[in-house]
This record gives sequence, structure tokens and C-alpha cells, in this order.
Amino acid sequence: QQQVKQSPQSLIVQKGGISIINCAYENTAFDYFPWYQQFPGKGPALLIAIRPDVSEKKEGRFTISFNKSAKQFSLHIMDSQPGDSATYFCAADGGSNYKLTFGKGTLLTVNP
Amino acid sequence: KAGVTQTPRYLIKTRGQQVTLSCSPISGHRSVSWYQQTPGQGLQFLFEYFSETQRNKGNFPGRFSGRQFSNSRSEMNVSTLELGDSALYLCASSPNNNEQFFGPGTRLTVL
Repeated sequence: QQQVKQSPQSLIVQKGGISIINCAYENTAFDYFPWYQQFPGKGPALLIAIRPDVSEKKEGRFTISFNKSAKQFSLHIMDSQPGDSATYFCAADGGSNYKLTFGKGTLLTVNP
Repeated sequence: KAGVTQTPRYLIKTRGQQVTLSCSPISGHRSVSWYQQTPGQGLQFLFEYFSETQRNKGNFPGRFSGRQFSNSRSEMNVSTLELGDSALYLCASSPNNNEQFFGPGTRLTVL
């Protein structure tokens, strides 16, 4: 059972454009939703995270939008740059589990 | 502050052997988690340790085990290696507040 569904699998965006990646979850016990960025040969790096008590969180060019009733959250990357080309993973954790459940990842390519 | 370190970075083993991977968390972090990353299954949770106790375990066979030492360093062991165990094994440390910071991983190849 895939508890966190991520789409699209791959995404190509032009430099300066907006990249949008979506995730949906099933487990209503989840209360922590991070996004990770992973470059080839590296471990995932924590980008930004949100909890259900807010609907949006922004850090620089990265914004998480959260819809609790729809059980969906998304990552928006504004003014996308070639250096943003990487694989992005959404994840979810519930309570004090310290057990991240990951989406399958989105390979983002930003063309110059 | 130094990040999570994992050793070795690369490892080649043959079927039936066993392997031990090591992880040193960020200073002050007492929670250490392990994940397996493969192209087919993605990132999957193995187990999590806090203060030398396993608090949570994923759906992996008993061949996968781990432990944590009093200095928060952690090791994971895989016995009787199978071809399907080839993967990137990632360690993550946390200050015990859901945030998890990953190391670079150990790339295990089983021949």
C-alpha cells in the first residue's frame, strides 16, 4: 500500500518558470510533511517542511501548499534555475513515529 | 556543525556474506534512522534508534538489524546477503523533533 503518492514522475521546466510537484496521502495520522532534494550521488537534503496547522509555508523560492481536507500537499519552486535540477521527494510522518514515508520521487530538469 | 557521516561510502560483497555499515549522527542528535533506497522501491524505512533503543522498525526481514551506541553512533548489519539487497543505504539523524537529516549513504553492491 503506497501511503504517499507523488506526481509527476518527471518534469521539465524552462529557466525562470514555476515547477509544481504534487503529493497525496492516505493516513490521517500524518502530521509532518517535509520535502527533500536529492542530487546524484548525494543523500536527500531537507528543503522545507509543513505541519497541518498552516496552509502554506514559504522559504525563499520554495513554497509548500497544504490542503488538509483533500489530504494533498504540493511544492512550488518559483523562478526555477538549472541548479534546481534534481530529484524531489515528498514525505510524511505521524505523531512521534520518526518514520518517514516517502513518495516515489520527481525528477526535475530545468533547461537553461 | 558537521553533518551525518557514513562509512564506508562504497561496498562490494558476494551473496551469502554479511556486511556492517556505520553512521555518525550530527553532534547532539540522539535519534538515528536507517533507510534503503532502490530504483524500484524508492526510499524505505528500516529502523530508528534513540538512546540505544529501537523505537520503530520497518517491514524488512530479520536479516537486517541495527544497534546504537551510547555516543549515538549507529551500525546496521545485513546477514546472508542477497542480490536484491543491492541499494543505497541512508542514515538520518534527528534532534528528536521529526526533522531528519541524511548522510551521503553507503552504496552496497551484492554480486
